[in-house]
Amino acid sequence: AQSVTQLGSHVSVSEGALVLLRCNYSSSVPPYLFWYVQYPNQGLQLLLKYTSAATLVKGINGFEAEFKKSETSFHLTKPSAHMRDAAEYFCAVNLGGSQGNLIFGKGTKLSVKP
Amino acid sequence: EADIYQTPRYLVIGTGKKITLECSQTMGHDKMYWYQQDPGMELHLIHYSYGVNSTEKGDLSSESTVSRIRTEHFPLTLESARPSHTSQYLCASSGSGTGRLETQYFGPGTRLLVL
Repeated sequence: AQSVTQLGSHVSVSEGALVLLRCNYSSSVPPYLFWYVQYPNQGLQLLLKYTSAATLVKGINGFEAEFKKSETSFHLTKPSAHMRDAAEYFCAVNLGGSQGNLIFGKGTKLSVKP
Repeated sequence: EADIYQTPRYLVIGTGKKITLECSQTMGHDKMYWYQQDPGMELHLIHYSYGVNSTEKGDLSSESTVSRIRTEHFPLTLESARPSHTSQYLCASSGSGTGRLETQYFGPGTRLLVL
């Protein structure tokens, strides 16, 4: 069965510091992985997605994620946090087949301190 | 820019009332989805549709129902609201691509409080 685990429900960093949000997956098929961001009182917005073309994926707002098959991980990073990055971040894996249904992790809330 | 809309954004209603949460998209997407999201929890898929007159139940059992009479419209209905239905409901849509590669675009959500 496919699942997604996000380690740490809450991460706090200082402005300018490295952001690292962890995501591990389990999948019986080669996974397609996604990171979404949710700002307060808004819906989810796609940050980036892994589709097997390249292991290092660059997304919007300076975020990137690296797919590591040996570690079954897809951690999200940003070299320098900004106040506007404060939001909740969700990792998701796509099921096999043609349905396109996503399984989401529980989310990690990122706080950025001045 | 994704164009997917949900109304109302916030709804407070009494137990036993019938409610309909609206979701519309202007992208011509075939697939649409409803998720339920509780604080600190993952999103759970409660309904999805592959196109007009197609609806399926998702992973999480829900007392709500959906319909898909038009491509752009995917309303969710609760016949008799209960406090256990209090949650945030997110609507999403995706194009008719190759399934797993598709990006789902989300609406802003409806926060429902049933008293």
